[in-house]
Amino acid sequence: GNSVTQMEGPVTLSEEAFLTINCTYTATGYPSLFWYVQYPGEGLQLLLKATKADDKGSNKGFEATYRKETTSFHLEKGSVQVSDSAVYFCALRAGGGNKLTFGTGTQLKVEL
Amino acid sequence: DTAVSQTPKYLVTQMGNDKSIKCEQNLGHDTMYWYKQDSKKFLKIMFSYNNKELIINETVPNRFSPKSPDKAHLNLHINSLELGDSAVYFCASSQAAPHYGYTFGSGTRLTVV
Repeated sequence: GNSVTQMEGPVTLSEEAFLTINCTYTATGYPSLFWYVQYPGEGLQLLLKATKADDKGSNKGFEATYRKETTSFHLEKGSVQVSDSAVYFCALRAGGGNKLTFGTGTQLKVEL
Repeated sequence: DTAVSQTPKYLVTQMGNDKSIKCEQNLGHDTMYWYKQDSKKFLKIMFSYNNKELIINETVPNRFSPKSPDKAHLNLHINSLELGDSAVYFCASSQAAPHYGYTFGSGTRLTVV
């Protein structure tokens, strides 16, 4: 079946540091890949997506590249801010029912 | 102009009670979902409806019953609530094609005491 593996958190960074959150996946066929963000007390918001190999999704300074050869979709940001503190979820959508399968989430804390 | 709206936002109830959570989307999407998020933030799909037809029914106790009166609404009714049902429940909607992401509601925090 489909699955997503994310690095465990929490990840604690100083403001303006470089961020990488690793995500790898297992899927049948050719999934679409997503990153969602959940701010405290809120629902999930779509951050970015990529729908085929070598596509790069980007939004709000975050980027992720769909790497089919390594089955990865790592999230990166060059300079994080305190306001980026949230839980980040990697997800894929493929296969029967096209349901969205999530990783376990990675909590990011950015400190001044 | 809320895209996916859930009510109530908070729900505190006693064990054994029956409760419902309502969800509505105004995006014109064909498919709607219920997810459960536990205390460790893990998200698990419960149900999915496409145009009022149930298409995903994961291993969920039959105390949980979804109902979709039309493609813009998906409600969740829970009978005989248990302590372990305490969680945040998210409604979501999307187009059917896999390259679309989901749009989520803001969640309903259910606390069973």
